Amino acid sequence: NAGVTQTPKFQVLKTGQSMTLQCAQDMNHEYMSWYRQDPGMGLRLIHYSVGAGITDQGEVPNGYNVSRSTTEDFPLRLLSAAPSQTSVYFCASTNRPGPYGYTFGSGTRLTVV
Amino acid sequence: ILNVEQSPQSLHVQEGDSTNFTCSFPSSNFYALHWYRWETAKSPEALFVMTLNGDEKKKGRISATLNTKEGYSYLYIKGSQPEDSATYLCAFLRNTGGFKTIFGAGTRLFVKA
Repeated sequence: NAGVTQTPKFQVLKTGQSMTLQCAQDMNHEYMSWYRQDPGMGLRLIHYSVGAGITDQGEVPNGYNVSRSTTEDFPLRLLSAAPSQTSVYFCASTNRPGPYGYTFGSGTRLTVV
Repeated sequence: ILNVEQSPQSLHVQEGDSTNFTCSFPSSNFYALHWYRWETAKSPEALFVMTLNGDEKKKGRISATLNTKEGYSYLYIKGSQPEDSATYLCAFLRNTGGFKTIFGAGTRLFVKA
C-alpha cells in the first residue's frame, strides 16, 4: 500500500529554472492538495483539487501551477524558480475533507540558488 | 485570510509530566478540526478528526476536546514519554466552497527522559 508518493525527495534548482514536483496516490482519494512548509510558519496551502479536472488556489499560489488530469496524479509546476520558493513541499490527499484526515507524502526538499 | 493560532510554540517537559496545548480558530462556518502528530524527518500523521461542538476524542494517553462556539481545541497528553516528542499541528476546515484546510504553525513538544 503505497499511499501518497512524492518525487523527487530532494532537488536543487537555479533561479529561473522550471520543474515539476510529482505527487501520486493509490487510495482513490478525490481531494488532493499541495503545501509548503517554512520554519515558524507551519504548512501553507498552495493549490488544491476536489477531483479530476478541478483545481483551485490556496493561500500562496503565486509562482506555481497545477493540473489534475487523473484522480491519481496532482503535479505541482514551478514556472520560474525563485530563492523564495526554497522550502519543503508536501502533497496530501483525503477521501473527503473534514470527516477524514489527510494522508501526506514524504515531502520534497527544494533549494533554489 | 483565516487565522489558526497554536500555543505555546514549544514546550519542554520531563518524562511523566502531563501537558496540554491550544489551537484557536475562527468560530464562524466551522466544518472540522484535525490534530496531527509530526515527528522529525517524517510526514504528519492524523491523530484526531473532530466535527461536532463538544467532541472529545481519546487515543491512549492523548485526548482532545473541541469548542466550536468559542473557537478553540485542546490537546492533552497524560504522562508524557520521550516518544511523544514531536510537533503537534491543528488544521481548521471552514464550511464554505472548496473546503480549504488551514494549518496552524504547530506546538513543538520535547520530552526529556
